[in-house]
Amino acid sequence: QKEVEQNSGPLSVPEGAIASLNCTYSDRGSQSFFWYRQYSGKSPELIMSIYSNGDKEDGRFTAQLNKASQYVSLLIRDSQPSDSATYLCAGAYSGAGSYQLTFGKGTKLSVIP
Amino acid sequence: DTAVSQTPKYLVTQMGNDKSIKCEQNLGHDTMYWYKQDSKKFLKIMFSYNNKELIINETVPNRFSPKSPDKAHLNLHINSLELGDSAVYFCASSQDYFQGASTDTQYFGPGTRLTVL
Repeated sequence: QKEVEQNSGPLSVPEGAIASLNCTYSDRGSQSFFWYRQYSGKSPELIMSIYSNGDKEDGRFTAQLNKASQYVSLLIRDSQPSDSATYLCAGAYSGAGSYQLTFGKGTKLSVIP
Repeated sequence: DTAVSQTPKYLVTQMGNDKSIKCEQNLGHDTMYWYKQDSKKFLKIMFSYNNKELIINETVPNRFSPKSPDKAHLNLHINSLELGDSAVYFCASSQDYFQGASTDTQYFGPGTRLTVL
């Protein structure tokens, strides 16, 4: 059973603070990981993708992957109210020449002005 | 201009009816997907199609059938609708198969909110 676990939150942080979102996964065969942001009533949109151990930075966002611990995280620096959304962690699993994404249940982030 | 589009955006219907949701992508992608997001926001893959061939078929009821007339379209037909089918259905597309450790972004459509009464 391939599972991706997230703390459902809600996670509340003050504006300007660092928001830390965490995710663990069960299948060591998973190769790539993705963080999607989903505003209420909208579709998921990709924030970050990562497939190598270590950190990957893009603007205010940093994704971290630790394959030994089967752990993925997303840090949002200088959090803004517009960052308030549900953040979905997903792992990519390959098989039979294709892949699928298994999503966690999402963490709801609220940035308080 | 919309990369992945779905119709209709809202669908309200009675139990037992048959309905379809259409999806089109203009990104030239090879693979398309259908996801179901339940009331608890849990997003789960239902089907994917690559070059008009079904490559993943999760354990969904056979009342659900994906149909792809061409690479740019993947429609979802649902027969004998049940109350538990109420959810938001998302179509998505990606460029190619998963290859090794390469990343491959999936682009989501706006979703279709299905309500079964």
